[in-house]
Amino acid sequence: AQSVAQPEDQVNVAEGNPLTVKCTYSVSGNPYLFWYVQYPNRGLQFLLKYITGDNLVKGSYGFEAEFNKSQTSFHLKKPSALVSDSALYFCAVRDQSYNTDKLIFGTGTRLQVFP
Amino acid sequence: DSGVTQTPKHLITATGQRVTLRCSPRSGDLSVYWYQQSLDQGLQFLIQYYNGEERAKGNILERFSAQQFPDLHSELNLSSLELGDSALYFCASSPYGQSTDTQYFGPGTRLTVL
Repeated sequence: AQSVAQPEDQVNVAEGNPLTVKCTYSVSGNPYLFWYVQYPNRGLQFLLKYITGDNLVKGSYGFEAEFNKSQTSFHLKKPSALVSDSALYFCAVRDQSYNTDKLIFGTGTRLQVFP
Repeated sequence: DSGVTQTPKHLITATGQRVTLRCSPRSGDLSVYWYQQSLDQGLQFLIQYYNGEERAKGNILERFSAQQFPDLHSELNLSSLELGDSALYFCASSPYGQSTDTQYFGPGTRLTVL
């Protein structure tokens, strides 16, 4: 079965510093990978996705993610963090096994950006 | 704003009761998904509909059911509610329900079962 892992429950970073939120995946076949962000009391907002093509995917709000097949990783990055980036980040993989078509989400990583 | 709407925002009810959650997908999207977010289970896929037909089922309890209507809005019915059903319920929509589609999420309905 497909799965994603987010090894860090929380990531702390100072405003202006680069940030990385880690995600590793386990899939059979081609991975379709997604990043979503959840602000307090809000729904999930789509940031970016990898389907095929360039390993560096650019998304919303200055975020990007690097697909690394050899390391089975899809880490989310931003060159310069903002306090307003503080939120809960979810990595997800598309799963079409057992006649289903759904997103499987990681457990989430809370990003805290300090002024 | 994703364009997906969900009502109500909050629901407080008692054990044993039945509730209905409603979702309107983005204009033009044919597929609707339901997810449950709870502290202990994280985000879990419940069920998917495409153009009125059930397409995929996940970890949905028998006490729960859903449908998608001809105007493409969807309803999730939860019955014989238990304390453990307290959670955030999200609806998402996508254009064609294909694996490369992006799913856009609504703001969620927070269900509290007392």
